[in-house]
Amino acid sequence: EAGVVQSPRYKIIEKKQPVAFWCNPISGHNTLYWYLQNLGQGPELLIRYENEEAVDDSQLPKDRFSAERLKGVDSTLKIQPAELGDSAVYLCASSPTSAQGEQFFGPGTRLTVL
Amino acid sequence: GESVGLHLPTLSVQEGDNSIINCAYSNSASDYFIWYKQESGKGPQFIIDIRSNMDKRQGQRVTVLLNKTVKHLSLQIAATQPGDSAVYFCAENLAFQKLVFGTGTRLLVSP
Repeated sequence: EAGVVQSPRYKIIEKKQPVAFWCNPISGHNTLYWYLQNLGQGPELLIRYENEEAVDDSQLPKDRFSAERLKGVDSTLKIQPAELGDSAVYLCASSPTSAQGEQFFGPGTRLTVL
Repeated sequence: GESVGLHLPTLSVQEGDNSIINCAYSNSASDYFIWYKQESGKGPQFIIDIRSNMDKRQGQRVTVLLNKTVKHLSLQIAATQPGDSAVYFCAENLAFQKLVFGTGTRLLVSP
């Protein structure tokens, strides 16, 4: 079974440019998460989806970040405009349901903002 | 705010030794805990979990201990191997699958 797929794996952009990350969760997983991971730190939740509904976006900086999961399957996270401080790894994870249990993580997208 | 933290940023051990990675948590309402392993360039990988109604759970070469009295969690790895070298995170699961991660401990295993 394929795991969580993310693309691109690496992205380098200049500040003030837009950037988008894509995630395809494990087939059948209704819950999808986007996390931000700074160097040497644990992942921090940005947004959680139940199917196509964003049920927890309290940590998403809505002035520049947006996300969508239109058909309840794959998802896109966008930053516009990017700032230097956005340099980090953006992780996507999925789980079968919102019940307690394992979250399966993708390899992440490493963003560098110059 | 309440958070999950780790006591040691780096742990160096010899191959074959047993490793113990510690974690303190502060949210007394947390009832589910997970240990993740993260290798360089990869996403976190599930190792083992434990619910608050348990104080010990064993997997293959790994054991998680939970002490709710002092809000302490530990991961024990038996016969540590070079392939165990990674960063280990503990995470507490709040309501509705909200994971709060600690800052991580780097485990270095020397052959």
